[in-house]
Amino acid sequence: EPEVTQTPSHQVTQMGQEVILRCVPISNHLYFYWYRQILGQKVEFLVSFYNNEISEKSEIFDDQFSVERPDGSNFTLKIRSTKLEDSAMYFCASSPTDSYGYTFGSGTRLTVV
Amino acid sequence: QKEVEQDPGPLSVPEGAIVSLNCTYSNSAFQYFMWYRQYSRKGPELLMYTYSSGNKEDGRFTAQVDKSSKYISLFIRDSQPSDSATYLCAMSGTGNQFYFGTGTSLTVIP
Repeated sequence: EPEVTQTPSHQVTQMGQEVILRCVPISNHLYFYWYRQILGQKVEFLVSFYNNEISEKSEIFDDQFSVERPDGSNFTLKIRSTKLEDSAMYFCASSPTDSYGYTFGSGTRLTVV
Repeated sequence: QKEVEQDPGPLSVPEGAIVSLNCTYSNSAFQYFMWYRQYSRKGPELLMYTYSSGNKEDGRFTAQVDKSSKYISLFIRDSQPSDSATYLCAMSGTGNQFYFGTGTSLTVIP
């Protein structure tokens, strides 16, 4: 069964450092997303991406965040200068259309120290 | 304003029981409703997807949407220990963004 692959599974970084979280969406999907889940809290929307541009973003997705699809397969989330409160599980997801349920990856656990 | 409300539980049932999980929401523009299952430290896994009101059945799972009451349910029949997980409801309107509930933790006791 096709799956969304995320790497690394766990990343520890120092406050102020830049991190890049990587995702390989399902190959025939056109819509890509990043969500995050702080421990014990709701899954929260960060950004959606379609046709090589951001289609929607939340208030969380400020200037410290950026997304990119550098080639035909990868989809990345960059956090420019990490803060302690960025510690969370980050999930990448993809879907074939904009109105169908997503397929999520297993997540990257980001720990900012 | 909380978009989606979900009782976090925990909910503990004996094997074979019927489980009822529920969410309420406030935004009348929501028209796509989903249920996800999440095991510890894993990504959410799509279980059921429903558009607008009505029922949908898939094996032991039944999803119900009542838009007039802004209330959705997931029923699990003949629950199994492997159903033990956190169940998340999620919904969206015309945009791409899904709004998730906090999740209900379910344990099915053998």
